[in-house]
Amino acid sequence: GAGVSQSPSNKVTEKGKDVELRCDPISGHTALYWYRQSLGQGLEFLIYFQGNSAPDKSGLPSDRFSAERTGGSVSTLTIQRTQQEDSAVYLCASSLDRRQGYEQYFGPGTRLTVT
Amino acid sequence: KNQVEQSPQSLIILEGKNCTLQCNYTVSPFSNLRWYKQDTGRGPVSLTIMTFSENTKSNGRYTATLDADTKQSSLHITASQLSDSASYICVVSGRGFGNEKLTFGTGTRLTIIP
Repeated sequence: GAGVSQSPSNKVTEKGKDVELRCDPISGHTALYWYRQSLGQGLEFLIYFQGNSAPDKSGLPSDRFSAERTGGSVSTLTIQRTQQEDSAVYLCASSLDRRQGYEQYFGPGTRLTVT
Repeated sequence: KNQVEQSPQSLIILEGKNCTLQCNYTVSPFSNLRWYKQDTGRGPVSLTIMTFSENTKSNGRYTATLDADTKQSSLHITASQLSDSASYICVVSGRGFGNEKLTFGTGTRLTIIP
């Protein structure tokens, strides 16, 4: 079946512009996660959604970052007034459930470059 | 603070040779440890997952070991192939938490040369 997909695969934007990144999780997966992977760094948790529960936003680095998940499926991560330090690969993952026994499946990521 | 340290940062070996990647962690209380393979431009893909009661697990030419007492794990790759060139990421989770509380290592970049 189809895996996790993300779009766009690459995004170059000017400093100060807003960007939207999209994630299509595996159908039926109730948990969805966003991570940021900067050069030479481990994956940094940003936000996660579980079903209809309020999202866990504890990893968002600033109020310029926000995310939505509509209808329990597609999610968008929005970065407002982008800064050069926002340049990174943004990865989305989904799992059947948030509990540890359920495998996370990652998308290919969106490479964001802020000039 | 929960941490996962991996070594070496990068490794280059000849095709057909074996290699071992290391992972040390400080996550406590420990629940499970995973190894992921991340090809360039792709998302991580799970290779193995081990709970505290398991000390070895294999997936084809990949064998992971775990010593929960010393908080160390290794990933051994046998008879390496060019397609093994990738980053290998060690991920640890603490007991009582869900997938949203994973601690990721920075990875080992493995390059296989013909």
